[in-house]
Amino acid sequence: DVKVTQSSRYLVKRTGEKVFLECVQDMDHENMFWYRQDPGLGLRLIYFSYDVKMKEKGDIPEGYSVSREKKERFSLILESASTNQTSMYLCASSSSGQGRNGYTFGSGTRLTVV
Amino acid sequence: KQEVTQIPAALSVPEGENLVLNCSFTDSAIYNLQWFRQDPGKGLTSLLLIQSSQREQTSGRLNASLDKSSGRSTLYIAASQPGDSATYLCAVRPQNRDDKIIFGKGTRLHILP
Repeated sequence: DVKVTQSSRYLVKRTGEKVFLECVQDMDHENMFWYRQDPGLGLRLIYFSYDVKMKEKGDIPEGYSVSREKKERFSLILESASTNQTSMYLCASSSSGQGRNGYTFGSGTRLTVV
Repeated sequence: KQEVTQIPAALSVPEGENLVLNCSFTDSAIYNLQWFRQDPGKGLTSLLLIQSSQREQTSGRLNASLDKSSGRSTLYIAASQPGDSATYLCAVRPQNRDDKIIFGKGTRLHILP
């Protein structure tokens, strides 16, 4: 069964900490995405990547960075966590194959910054 | 700019009823449309993917239709069950270079036992 795996379901971090959220996919997908989801705001795209070592800003990149050193792994980094980054974080991947394929999502990481 | 709308935002129906969830989009230039289910505190589970050349897809009690020219899709759930309670999101994959899907905000469905 194909999968997108997020390393943590729940995380609690302190304000100012550097936080790493990891995402791994086993489908050899070119594209990977990080979203955050907040009540009433829906899913918002933070960063995405079309290939190894490539990254593009999404709609709300401020306060975040990403790393994609290997095709299967896409990491989201909170450089200095703040309470307004408390949220559900969702990773997704997709194939570039002529746009015919759907997205596969991970199970999410609920991050609380205290 | 592509926009995806799901109305209503919330819906409650008695168990056993057939129901329809609606999704509309403003630009018909899409590769596909995907319906997802999300349980509280969980990730998104893909239910059905309809390519732009298709009219519908079926999986068990679920049937999704696509009318690209009118910018509409429906998700039909037959014989609803309490376990169907969840938020349902639709998303379109636009035919543009940046290849990012656009989500609606979802319909929160509650099936009353």
